[in-house]
Amino acid sequence: GNSVTQMEGPVTLSEEAFLTINCTYTATGYPSLFWYVQYPGEGLQLLLKATKADDKGSNKGFEATYRKETTSFHLEKGSVQVSDSAVYFCALSDQGGSYIPTFGRGTSLIVHP
Amino acid sequence: DVKVTQSSRYLVKRTGEKVFLECVQDMDHENMFWYRQDPGLGLRLIYFSYDVKMKEKGDIPEGYSVSREKKERFSLILESASTNQTSMYLCASSSAGDRGTDTQYFGPGTRLTVL
Repeated sequence: GNSVTQMEGPVTLSEEAFLTINCTYTATGYPSLFWYVQYPGEGLQLLLKATKADDKGSNKGFEATYRKETTSFHLEKGSVQVSDSAVYFCALSDQGGSYIPTFGRGTSLIVHP
Repeated sequence: DVKVTQSSRYLVKRTGEKVFLECVQDMDHENMFWYRQDPGLGLRLIYFSYDVKMKEKGDIPEGYSVSREKKERFSLILESASTNQTSMYLCASSSAGDRGTDTQYFGPGTRLTVL
């Protein structure tokens, strides 16, 4: 079956630091990969996605590259802000398979001024 | 702007009560989902619906049922609430278009406390 593994949090950084949140996956088919973000008190919202190998998704200064050879989709940002404090979820969906995505457990990011 | 709304942000119920959580989406999406979110456990799927009156059990359906009488509305029912159902409940929807590439759109969540 499919699975997504994320680094455990919380990740605590100072403002303007570099961020990496690791995500690796196993999939039986050919997945699309997603990062969702959940700000305090809100539901999840899509941050970025990639649908084929070597694609890079990007949004709001965040980037992630679909690496088929290492089955990874690590999230990066060059300079985090306090407003980036949130929980980040990596997810995958099987293209041509089930409509039900597989989510990682989430990684909490705390950014201090 | 796409929207998924949930009937309540916070709800407090007593053990044994029947609880209804309502979710409405305005995007004409075929798929709708109910998840619960607990610290350290991430998101767990309770039920999934791919069409009106159609449903599939998720990972943790015990103690829950669902209803989808109209395309835009998906209800989660706790037949007899118990304290271990205290949690954050998230509704989501997605299109049945390009299978596997579609984004899930989430509501703001309902934080349910069962006393």
